Amino acid sequence: GAGVSQTPSNKVTEKGKYVELRCDPISGHTALYWYRQSLGQGPEFLIYFQGTGAADDSGLPNDRFFAVRPEGSVSTLKIQRTERGDSAVYLCASSLREAMNTEAFFGQGTRLTVV
Amino acid sequence: LAKTTQPISMDSYEGQEVNITCSHNNIATNDYITWYQQFPSQGPRFIIQGYKTKVTNEVASLFIPADRKSSTLSLPRVSLSDTAVYYCLAVGVGNEKLTFGTGTRLTIIP
Repeated sequence: GAGVSQTPSNKVTEKGKYVELRCDPISGHTALYWYRQSLGQGPEFLIYFQGTGAADDSGLPNDRFFAVRPEGSVSTLKIQRTERGDSAVYLCASSLREAMNTEAFFGQGTRLTVV
Repeated sequence: LAKTTQPISMDSYEGQEVNITCSHNNIATNDYITWYQQFPSQGPRFIIQGYKTKVTNEVASLFIPADRKSSTLSLPRVSLSDTAVYYCLAVGVGNEKLTFGTGTRLTIIP
């Protein structure tokens, strides 16, 4: 596809369950970002990958959150022991990390609801 | 890390030019000013980016004075479809993580 793809688009899970959210970035984009967004707020940074490695994971709120990008393309955000406060839209973005180019392309997001 | 400050909301009538100002007093030498637009139920979309002076594309213009402590996004002749939240970010080498604030909620009135 031409854009960033996120699956599923919606996920409802019970408190305490484990969830995985998937992001397919634009082909060739080396940088990949995860954000979460609550209603009325701007996107909150979670983690940034450059290739396969996490260049900055300072936004992950606690050790229940983990993200991987094993082959430098698709990324999975994993949330263990979900809590109701984890309910939000989770956004993924990718970009080319050339020196002058900082345009990031966002997916439509995964709306996570923890009940 | 450069913090950006922008108005929480703005209203404008259709056909007007809209200017949204962003303050970034502590912007780093390497940082660019980048603006994103977000519609409800969609991810943010890149609008424009600049370092200094004026940048113009088919959507908007961006004015950045010499001291780079502020910038102004200018939307010419807005329409109802420009109703969205607009975010101003400082991004650069060593500061790649795209820190969004609460943005400016722009409402276009018919």
